[in-house]
Amino acid sequence: QLQLQESGPGLVKPSETLSLTCTVSGGSISSSSYYWGWIRQPPGKGLEWIGSIYYSGSTYYNPSLKSRVTISVDTSKNQFSLKLSSVTAADTAVYYCARSREAFDIWGQGTMVTVSS
Amino acid sequence: EIVLTQSPGTLSLSPGERATLSCRASQSVSSSYLAWYQQKPGQAPRLLIYGASSRATGIPDRFSGSGSGTDFTLTISRLEPEDFAVYYCQQYGSPFTFGPGTKVDIK
Repeated sequence: QLQLQESGPGLVKPSETLSLTCTVSGGSISSSSYYWGWIRQPPGKGLEWIGSIYYSGSTYYNPSLKSRVTISVDTSKNQFSLKLSSVTAADTAVYYCARSREAFDIWGQGTMVTVSS
Repeated sequence: EIVLTQSPGTLSLSPGERATLSCRASQSVSSSYLAWYQQKPGQAPRLLIYGASSRATGIPDRFSGSGSGTDFTLTISRLEPEDFAVYYCQQYGSPFTFGPGTKVDIK
């Protein structure tokens, strides 16, 4: 069945760029029915949608993060990626990738990213 | 942006009891684009309900969703031990937003 797996550094310095990749297995990221998204959860807090991408490359972002976020897709590798620039301690969170057609129906296990010097 | 408010913040119940969770939106949610998720400690959220009332694949029928416009409800008819968790509502208009969550814990 379809699985998603996040990967990337677990520690990022303040002011630098956080970069994560989500690898999709057991299915194609190029399916016309689905969007692919990033969601984060600070420790002990709730969920925040970061943004989503379609396999064609069209994106939409959370307005509160839009100036710092870039989401891209690599269909040849069946992956999509997140870049979040100028990070601060407030960006410390578990980052999840997920598939959506309507709601987010399949999620990765999540990866903890800490912003600290 | 649509702001979602969930109540109560914590619900303390016993196994076998009925749980009723509320999600209220600051403006009407279009086309009932409202979902509910369950999250247990250390795990990713799991989709329970989408389209306000449609159960996701594999979700037991003790979970049901209802509502439209600005008021939505998740009902768990009889709590099983594995149902004690945090529940989030989400609207998937644009931009997507999540509610702050309701924790269902054991009384």
